[in-house]
Parts: sequence; C-alpha cells; structure tokens
Amino acid sequence: DAMVIQNPRYQVTQFGKPVTLSCSQTLNHNVMYWYQQKSSQAPKLLFHYYDKDFNNEADTPDNFQSRRPNTSFCFLDIRSPGLGDAAMYLCATSTTQGTEAFFGQGTRLTVV
Amino acid sequence: AQSVTQPDIHITVSEGASLELRCNYSYGATPYLFWYVQSPGQGLQLLLKYFSGDTLVQGIKGFEAEFKRSQSSFNLRKPSVHWSDAAEYFCAVYGGATNKLIFGTGTLLAVQP
Repeated sequence: DAMVIQNPRYQVTQFGKPVTLSCSQTLNHNVMYWYQQKSSQAPKLLFHYYDKDFNNEADTPDNFQSRRPNTSFCFLDIRSPGLGDAAMYLCATSTTQGTEAFFGQGTRLTVV
Repeated sequence: AQSVTQPDIHITVSEGASLELRCNYSYGATPYLFWYVQSPGQGLQLLLKYFSGDTLVQGIKGFEAEFKRSQSSFNLRKPSVHWSDAAEYFCAVYGGATNKLIFGTGTLLAVQP
C-alpha cells in the first residue's frame, strides 16, 4: 500500500497560472519535505516541516509556497509558474530527526 | 554546512561484474547516511542507511555500503550487478542540527550485457 501519495502524477499548467501539488501520508510522520528535481539532477530541497514548524531553504524562490493543514497533508503552491519551474516535484516524510525518508512517486510538472 | 559529493556522474559495468559507487560527505558531526535508487520517472527507494554501529551496512537487492569516517566516505558496493540495477543512485546525508536531508548529484548506472 502506498504510504506517501502525490497527486496528480502529471500536471500541465500554463505559464503564470497558479498550481497546487498535493502530498498525503498514512505514516503519521512529523517531518515532511518538498524537493524539486530537474532532469538528470539531484533532488533539491525546497522546504520542510517539522510538525507545524516551516523551514524554507534560503535559495527557494518566493514563487514557491507550502501549506501543511494537518499531519497527513502537505501542499506545494507555485504562484506564477515559469518555464524554469518544469520539473519533478518529490514529497517525502520521516519520523523524527535522522530517520529514513519515505518518498512519493512524484508529480511531473510541465509548464506551457 | 552539510554536503554530499558523488564524483562519478555516469558508470557503465558489464552484467555480473562488481560495482562500487563513490560518495563523500561533509558534515561537522556524525552523519546519518543513505543510499537511494531511482528508476526513470519514479520516486526514490531506499537501498540502505547508516546511523551508528557497524560501519558495513547491508541493504536490499544485494547492496552494501561501508562508512569510513577517516575518509568521509560511504561507498556503495555490489558484488555482481544485474541488468535490473540500471538506474540512478543518490547518496544523501541527514544533519541532525539542520533537520535537512541533502542529496548528492547522483550516479547514473548503465549495465551492458
């Protein structure tokens, strides 16, 4: 059974049109991560939550926002997607500091 | 700051040959280290992890890795590669002080018959 679920698997959005990607987990983990992965590159950490504490990476563009309304769900909002934001977006969860991270299948975002 | 270096961008091995993928990390304290594998268009699957204790760790699919503090390395090995092992492999380090899981740039493994 899938433990970290990302929806949708594929998302096409128009340039400048806000888009939201979702992630849900059945593991009750308190840490959730969002990564951006471009083709042939490593996953790049955008931000993470430790419970409700939000931690933004210094180089994450302001165009990217996140919400975590409860333990199970986390959302990635891209306010005005540009062509450079086309990528795979990966959500991951872990229990406490330092334990294994479980990844979803990712959402492939295309900007047209 | 924590960081991970995977010096080999692309490696090709013959099926049945042995494999070693290199990983070097930078972190001020004892790190938590991971190897993940990613097939095209898929998420990341954990192969193995090191937290403490025995420096040689066993993982899934016949992989193992050895933590060497003196060399700041955590190299991944497999004695006999199968065609299904062709994928991208990422080394990652978790820093307890930062709560961050940071990935290396990855090594793309190709397996030839």
